[in-house]
Amino acid sequence: GAGVSQTPSNKVTEKGKYVELRCDPISGHTALYWYRQSLGQGPEFLIYFQGTGAADDSGLPNDRFFAVRPEGSVSTLKIQRTERGDSAVYLCASSLTLLAGMNTEAFFGQGTRLTVV
Amino acid sequence: TQLLEQSPQFLSIQEGENLTVYCNSSSVFSSLQWYRQEPGEGPVLLVTVVTGGEVKKLKRLTFQFGDARKDSSLHITAAQPGDTGLYLCAGPGNTPLVFGKGTRLSVIA
Repeated sequence: GAGVSQTPSNKVTEKGKYVELRCDPISGHTALYWYRQSLGQGPEFLIYFQGTGAADDSGLPNDRFFAVRPEGSVSTLKIQRTERGDSAVYLCASSLTLLAGMNTEAFFGQGTRLTVV
Repeated sequence: TQLLEQSPQFLSIQEGENLTVYCNSSSVFSSLQWYRQEPGEGPVLLVTVVTGGEVKKLKRLTFQFGDARKDSSLHITAAQPGDTGLYLCAGPGNTPLVFGKGTRLSVIA
């Protein structure tokens, strides 16, 4: 596709369940980022990949959160034992090269709205 | 930790009015970006400012980067309902892109 695609667009799950959120970046983009956006807040960094490896996972809130990008393209964010506080919009973005601020643009998907009940 | 403070948090104005929103930090940024986010969508990049004192114009939107590269402003002339959305500033920091909390703008026809 032409843009970053995230599936599902909405996910409702029960507290304690496991969920997977998928991100298809723009073809050829080597860098991929996951952000979480709570109501009334700006996006909060979770993790980013350069190729297949997680270059920085310092934003993951705890060990219930994990993300993979096994072939350097599609990425999956995995949340174990979900809690109500995990409810948020999870945004994925990709860029041609690592964001360096100057002339690099991050393209965002529409997000997955996760609701834990 | 590099933080970006945005003000005001909310702004509701009538169509045709002018407005300015602000993005401030105590840290120096090598560049700042402005994004607009509409409900149910991801943020979309509007502009990147790089040089202290730089002014960029995008139709009715004027972006300015402070001389000390610690702050930026976005001015909208003759706002239209289509300008409604969440305006976010962001810059490179300890993580690839640090975002402010945004200004939620509502333009009423």
